[in-house]
Amino acid sequence: GQQVMQIPQYQHVQEGEDFTTYCNSSTTLSNIQWYKQRPGGHPVFLIQLVKSGEVKKQKRLTFQFGEAKKNSSLHITATQTTDVGTYFCAGGAYNFNKFYFGSGTKLNVKP
Amino acid sequence: DGGITQSPKYLFRKEGQNVTLSCEQNLNHDAMYWYRQDPGQGLRLIYYSQIVNDFQKGDIAEGYSVSREKKESFPLTVTSAQKNPTAFYLCASRRPGQADLGYTFGSGTRLTVV
Repeated sequence: GQQVMQIPQYQHVQEGEDFTTYCNSSTTLSNIQWYKQRPGGHPVFLIQLVKSGEVKKQKRLTFQFGEAKKNSSLHITATQTTDVGTYFCAGGAYNFNKFYFGSGTKLNVKP
Repeated sequence: DGGITQSPKYLFRKEGQNVTLSCEQNLNHDAMYWYRQDPGQGLRLIYYSQIVNDFQKGDIAEGYSVSREKKESFPLTVTSAQKNPTAFYLCASRRPGQADLGYTFGSGTRLTVV
């Protein structure tokens, strides 16, 4: 079945350092979404990428979708304590109504 | 404000009991979903419904049941057949086909078997 693998599982950084999490799919995706879940909270939608090679930015966050539409990354520049949480990718099958979530990367930022 | 309401926030179940988790949305979304989250793991799809009176099994449907009698409501029953039900349960909805919009999640129900 379809799988989306996400690494690393945990990342501890000093405030101001950069952070990257990676997602890889065993099959070609129709699109990929990214979510952030604060400790004790629920996932909140960040962005969706659809096109091969697409790059989108949201302030200090940069999202990329690979050329083969099998991998994606989220990069945070100059982390802040407000970035703490778990970041999930969710790969869309060629059926927009079903997504497969990665296991998440838990980010801890030390002030 | 539009959103998804899940209740209760915390639920304790004795072994052998069935329990029902509530999920209500006022977003006018057609599609609704139930996910299970275990510590250190991603979200796993239990059931989903794209339209009223229709639903499909997800990847881990065994031991769970759902109904979709109204567009706004998608309750999940955790039956005694579910061997390891302790987890965080998230309900979500989405407007299918609408680009750039992801799932809207409820705040979740934390179920513990005692």
